[in-house]
Amino acid sequence: NAGVMQNPRHLVRRRGQEARLRCSPMKGHSHVYWYRQLPEEGLKFMVYLQKENIIDESGMPKERFSAEFPKEGPSILRIQQVVRGDSAAYFCASSPTRLFHSYEQYFGPGTRLTVT
Amino acid sequence: QKEVEQNSGPLSVPEGAIASLNCTYSDRGSQSFFWYRQYSGKSPELIMSIYSNGDKEDGRFTAQLNKASQYVSLLIRDSQPSDSATYLCAVNLDTGNQFYFGTGTSLTVIP
Repeated sequence: NAGVMQNPRHLVRRRGQEARLRCSPMKGHSHVYWYRQLPEEGLKFMVYLQKENIIDESGMPKERFSAEFPKEGPSILRIQQVVRGDSAAYFCASSPTRLFHSYEQYFGPGTRLTVT
Repeated sequence: QKEVEQNSGPLSVPEGAIASLNCTYSDRGSQSFFWYRQYSGKSPELIMSIYSNGDKEDGRFTAQLNKASQYVSLLIRDSQPSDSATYLCAVNLDTGNQFYFGTGTSLTVIP
């Protein structure tokens, strides 16, 4: 499967626990984006990363949320001390290098986070 | 003002008809435009991208872009029940990193 991979697909956490969401981009893609989607709402941009760099985190809440894309391994979105309002679908998307003006983003299957 | 606006619908069309989905955007610096389809409980799937004014056709789908009017649309010809989904419009500034998504239009194709 050469598509964007995310795991876990479903994650249940109790309030106050930490949630770690993982994303492996499509082969050959070096740009990763994280989005959050609440029920009946649109996709909200959170953060844009390249390998070892956070390029744009303007959509990320200032507290409890962090993201990384290490040199080796998947991108990780971390939510500390989760609250019920964090329950949502979190989607990762990847795109090839923008050098060739290809801005198309391809989405993974998402992680459904439920905070109890 | 929202960056990207779509009529939330629901839009219902009979099978075989043309479905027309519309999207307006606020930032004149927007350069790249995309249509995604999202089935309930699934992730968005890229259908079309368009970068220049005019029409772009791909099978039963036609994207139309009018930058002067800040308007992009998606036409689905010979609509099928399997086209029933939510269609998301996305816009990207050439110098920016974010995609701005509309809230989507729900389409139902009635057999």
